[in-house]
Amino acid sequence: GAVVSQHPSRVICKSGTSVKIECRSLDFQATTMFWYRQFPKQSLMLMATSNEGSKATYEQGVEKDKFLINHASLTLSTLTVTSAHPEDSSFYICSGNRENRNIQYFGAGTRLSVL
Amino acid sequence: EDKVVQSPLSLVVHEGDTVTLNCSYEVTNFRSLLWYKQEKKAPTFLFMLTSSGIEKKSGRLSSILDKKELFSILNITATQTGDSAVYLCAVRNTGNQFYFGTGTSLTVIP
Repeated sequence: GAVVSQHPSRVICKSGTSVKIECRSLDFQATTMFWYRQFPKQSLMLMATSNEGSKATYEQGVEKDKFLINHASLTLSTLTVTSAHPEDSSFYICSGNRENRNIQYFGAGTRLSVL
Repeated sequence: EDKVVQSPLSLVVHEGDTVTLNCSYEVTNFRSLLWYKQEKKAPTFLFMLTSSGIEKKSGRLSSILDKKELFSILNITATQTGDSAVYLCAVRNTGNQFYFGTGTSLTVIP
């Protein structure tokens, strides 16, 4: 089956530093990738949708300059949390949509802890 | 390799039908299994299951977990068009990693 690899799985950083999270589709081309953030009580919030070669579409309330998304190729999307603060500590999950299919393949997530 | 497999991938039913969605998993250090409903944007949380044999119920939706056979089912009775969505299953391990299935796309026809 299709695989999405997300890296790193866990990161601890100091406040003010930037953290980059990678999301790769290993055996398919993901024309669209999604970035989610998990909140308490298990709810997932869609942060942005990225299409290869174009700017990401951010959801309302998500700061574009804070959460930089780059979808440079059909197999790689990155999320950079810039100048991270403790309130950015969360679980971030990416998923890729296989072209022409209404199926999302999820990465294993990244646990970010900002000290 | 840890994984979650959902079946069927897609399903089309008529209003009033009952559907059963399946989720099997192979995840070490299991902590809980979660079901989500995804309509347009972010998935909506439905159930969290941690113990075998205890049915969780919310209206027409119910779910149960079998930790011995490593699977869970989500039942929807008397389906309505508003139930049309992708239903996601995810397993959380004790290290707080989540493993998602690909989802089951349910379409309910009037």
